[in-house]
Amino acid sequence: AQSVTQLDSHVSVSEGTPVLLRCNYSSSYSPSLFWYVQHPNKGLQLLLKYTSAATLVKGINGFEAEFKKSETSFHLTKPSAHMSDAAEYFCVVSDGGTDKLIFGTGTRLQVFP
Amino acid sequence: KAGVTQTPRYLIKTRGQQVTLSCSPISGHRSVSWYQQTPGQGLQFLFEYFSETQRNKGNFPGRFSGRQFSNSRSEMNVSTLELGDSALYLCASSLGRQGTEAFFGQGTRLTVV
Repeated sequence: AQSVTQLDSHVSVSEGTPVLLRCNYSSSYSPSLFWYVQHPNKGLQLLLKYTSAATLVKGINGFEAEFKKSETSFHLTKPSAHMSDAAEYFCVVSDGGTDKLIFGTGTRLQVFP
Repeated sequence: KAGVTQTPRYLIKTRGQQVTLSCSPISGHRSVSWYQQTPGQGLQFLFEYFSETQRNKGNFPGRFSGRQFSNSRSEMNVSTLELGDSALYLCASSLGRQGTEAFFGQGTRLTVV
């Protein structure tokens, strides 16, 4: 069965410093992986997706993620944090041949001035 | 292009009542999925409809049901409400092909008192 594990429930960074949100996945075959962001009292917005093309995936707002099969990881990074990046981030795997999404438990990102 | 629209945004219901939530997907999207988000359980898949047929179902009791109309709009119904049903209910629409991204509405906040 597919699953994702987000290794940090909270991450705090200073504005202008790099962001790293960690995600490991478990899948019996080549997965489809996503990162979504949720701002307070808002729905989920897609940041980026991996679907077996390039292993380095670029998303919106300067975020990117690298698919590493050998490490079963799909970590999300951004070179320089902005105050507006403060939100909850979800690593998500698609459940096989279905549209069912399996969510990680989320990482709350705090950005300090 | 209009996004995913969920109505109503907020609901307060009493234990034992039933409730119906509505979701209008992005034009051209045939798949609609429903998710429940709570602080304790995170984001959990309820069910997915594709072309008016339930294609996938999560591990929720039969009190949770849904349907999809010919215009792809979907409704979710919860009968005999319990306090634990208080949650943010999110609807997602997609093209319905494996690996395609899902676009989420802002959700309906249901409070059961």
